[in-house]
Amino acid sequence: EAGVAQSPRYKIIEKRQSVAFWCNPISGHATLYWYQQILGQGPKLLIQFQNNGVVDDSQLPKDRFSAERLKGVDSTLKIQPAKLEDSAVYLCASSSQGYEQFFGPGTRLTVL
Amino acid sequence: AQSVTQLDSQVPVFEEAPVELRCNYSSSVSVYLFWYVQYPNQGLQLLLKYLSGSTLVKGINGFEAEFNKSQTSFHLRKPSVHISDTAEYFCAVIYNQGGKLIFGQGTELSVKP
Repeated sequence: EAGVAQSPRYKIIEKRQSVAFWCNPISGHATLYWYQQILGQGPKLLIQFQNNGVVDDSQLPKDRFSAERLKGVDSTLKIQPAKLEDSAVYLCASSSQGYEQFFGPGTRLTVL
Repeated sequence: AQSVTQLDSQVPVFEEAPVELRCNYSSSVSVYLFWYVQYPNQGLQLLLKYLSGSTLVKGINGFEAEFNKSQTSFHLRKPSVHISDTAEYFCAVIYNQGGKLIFGQGTELSVKP
């Protein structure tokens, strides 16, 4: 079974630029999550999708972050414009039934 | 507020020694508890989980954890560690069915020869 795929693995941008991350969940997993992991901290949930609907986006900074889940499968997370404090690893995870979440390798974003 | 506290940010230990990584959570009626491991430049991998039943949970790579409701703890243990266990370990909790996964700050386990 293929795992959760994410791209790119690394991204370096200047502040005020825009950036997008892509996630392909495990086939058949209805629930998809985006987490932000700042260095030295645990992951923090940004947004949760159930199929292509948003379940929880209470911690998503909506003035600069947006996310969509295309046809209930792939998802993209966008930041526009980026700030220095957005430097972090962005993790995508998916789950089917139950409580276990499967994580991708993450995208490491550096904002200069 | 719902939170997870990992009491040690770094735990150095010698190879073949026992180790315990501590985790406490906020008191709640029902909780689901998890330990994840993160190797450098990789995503998180589930080590073990407690959903219900026996309070002693066994996971992969020889790790186990014990759910202690009275002390609101879920400490992770391994009787003999290997160099390959060097990684970041995260305790995580779901408060109430359908709630979101809340992570602790992480504990960096460093196994030395």
